[in-house]
Amino acid sequence: LAKTTQPISMDSYEGQEVNITCSHNNIATNDYITWYQQFPSQGPRFIIQGYKTKVTNEVASLFIPADRKSSTLSLPRVSLSDTAVYYCLVGDKRNTDKLIFGTGTRLQVFP
Amino acid sequence: GAVVSQHPSWVICKSGTSVKIECRSLDFQATTMFWYRQFPKQSLMLMATSNEGSKATYEQGVEKDKFLINHASLTLSTLTVTSAHPEDSSFYICSARDRDRGAAYNEQFFGPGTRLTVL
Repeated sequence: LAKTTQPISMDSYEGQEVNITCSHNNIATNDYITWYQQFPSQGPRFIIQGYKTKVTNEVASLFIPADRKSSTLSLPRVSLSDTAVYYCLVGDKRNTDKLIFGTGTRLQVFP
Repeated sequence: GAVVSQHPSWVICKSGTSVKIECRSLDFQATTMFWYRQFPKQSLMLMATSNEGSKATYEQGVEKDKFLINHASLTLSTLTVTSAHPEDSSFYICSARDRDRGAAYNEQFFGPGTRLTVL
């Protein structure tokens, strides 16, 4: 499983766009990139997943450059309720179902 | 998405006692469930993989005799913390994968967690 590196924390204000970058230099050909969100005292929740280029859903966008050695989770117009920890995970669907969480990025949104 | 519940949501016990935590998949069957532990301000640490009808697979460094896992049905896995001590106080979270649902190849659905406090 490829190791991921994210900023420990980020601050933002309501209404701003937040971009959280994750480095995964050792990503393998069959690896997918997945992001989870965790609110305090709750279990994580799936946000988005991608393999290459750009993926967008109702919650976020995920940008993946051609070399796939990094990825950026983009949250448009954040609100106070987006305050949470965001985890970037990289894994190969051919292998186990196990998810290995890294340190995550603690996002604090201020009014 | 699929729903996973945990019971209890919190528990306080005395040192030396055993505590059982239940994890249920409410609207799907899960042949595999996962148990995590999370200390304050830290990330989730995978403890074990719970397999229905067979023994659990524990991660390195996790004592299988202390953290007993039973996955007796397709919708229920239990984690029993035996002879709990204050250092076992943590947030325990389970997850499961619904192979028929999920937006991604490996999307897992997490329970709300159980906060264990050992006095």
